[in-house]
Amino acid sequence: DTGVSQNPRHKITKRGQNVTFRCDPISEHNRLYWYRQTLGQGPEFLTYFQNEAQLEKSRLLSDRFSAERPKGSFSTLEIQRTEQGDSAMYLCASSFGGGRNTNEKLFFGSGTQLSVL
Amino acid sequence: AQTVTQSQPEMSVQEAETVTLSCTYDTSESDYYLFWYKQPPSRQMILVIRQEAYKQQNATENRFSVNFQKAAKSFSLKISDSQLGDAAMYFCGGSQGNLIFGKGTKLSVKP
Repeated sequence: DTGVSQNPRHKITKRGQNVTFRCDPISEHNRLYWYRQTLGQGPEFLTYFQNEAQLEKSRLLSDRFSAERPKGSFSTLEIQRTEQGDSAMYLCASSFGGGRNTNEKLFFGSGTQLSVL
Repeated sequence: AQTVTQSQPEMSVQEAETVTLSCTYDTSESDYYLFWYKQPPSRQMILVIRQEAYKQQNATENRFSVNFQKAAKSFSLKISDSQLGDAAMYFCGGSQGNLIFGKGTKLSVKP
């Protein structure tokens, strides 16, 4: 399988705990995106990387969220001190692109479903 | 700032018929891209069609086509000869920098 891989598929945690998600993009893709989606809503942009550089981060993203992409390959998204409002599907996407705008096709993973109790 | 608005939470179409999903994209920029993505129950987003704002010609991909009216900020998706497999959530997206999405339209296809 050469698609975008996300792990784990599901995560249940207690409020206040830290969680970390992993995304493995398609190998030749230089861009990697994180989105959050709640039921009945569209994916909400969180952040994106071009290679190892984090180029943009949503103003809606609290400082409890941090993302990394060491060496420009896989990426991790960590949520510290989770809250019930963090419960959502976290989607990762990758692409091969350049330029200021996202103009290329994004390939999405199946997501990580987070439930905060 | 950029905003994407989808005003139809749900739509329904008879199999083999045509349906149009609406979207408006508001931005102050002239250089941007527009997308329609499909999300089936598996929740994996799949690109349906893409439009470059500077191109006057509307994009088409087999049974899928768009009607892009730049001045009106309108970007609608037409699905012709609807099939049962077209049933899904459809998200309109705009890219001025990163890609943002609207709230989606749930499309049902009746046999």
